[in-house]
Amino acid sequence: GAVVSQHPSRVICKSGTSVKIECRSLDFQATTMFWYRQFPKQSLMLMATSNEGSKATYEQGVEKDKFLINHASLTLSTLTVTSAHPEDSSFYICSARDVRTGYEQYFGPGTRLTVT
Amino acid sequence: AQTVTQSQPEMSVQEAETVTLSCTYDTSESDYYLFWYKQPPSRQMILVIRQEAYKQQNATENRFSVNFQKAAKSFSLKISDSQLGDAAMYFCAYLTTWDMRFGAGTRLTVKP
Repeated sequence: GAVVSQHPSRVICKSGTSVKIECRSLDFQATTMFWYRQFPKQSLMLMATSNEGSKATYEQGVEKDKFLINHASLTLSTLTVTSAHPEDSSFYICSARDVRTGYEQYFGPGTRLTVT
Repeated sequence: AQTVTQSQPEMSVQEAETVTLSCTYDTSESDYYLFWYKQPPSRQMILVIRQEAYKQQNATENRFSVNFQKAAKSFSLKISDSQLGDAAMYFCAYLTTWDMRFGAGTRLTVKP
């Protein structure tokens, strides 16, 4: 099956610094990638929808300047958490939508961010 | 607002028995897909089953089947012959052209 990778799987950073999370579709092209945030024992909350070559669409309440999303190619999207604070600590998951079918989605393994 | 509702935070089933997880959704879109995902402790999302909204026939995947009631906007998951490995969080979700939404999840426990 199709594979989506996320890097890093875990990251610890100091408050005030920025951290970048990469999401790659390894064997297919993704027209759209979704970024989610998941708190412990809760569901996935959609943060933004990222389309290759265009600006990301952010969900209401998600700060665009804080969570920078770039979808530079059909296989790579990045989420940069800028000026991170402890409340940004969470599990971040990306998913990539297969351009061949339009509906098949594959999830990355997630990135656990801890801000100290 | 487009939403997905899972009214059962927790469910329990005896090994080898059958359990049904409920899901309702609300969307104004006419073209969409519905999914059930399983999330084990590793937190990797695993696709269990998918249903295209335009198809009337209920999807089945081995021990997993759905009861899709489009008019009622209901999409329940039936797990037959439950196994210990089925224990996990289960999320119902729908996908449209522009976004994907998840329900709050149902934690399934399988008793030996």
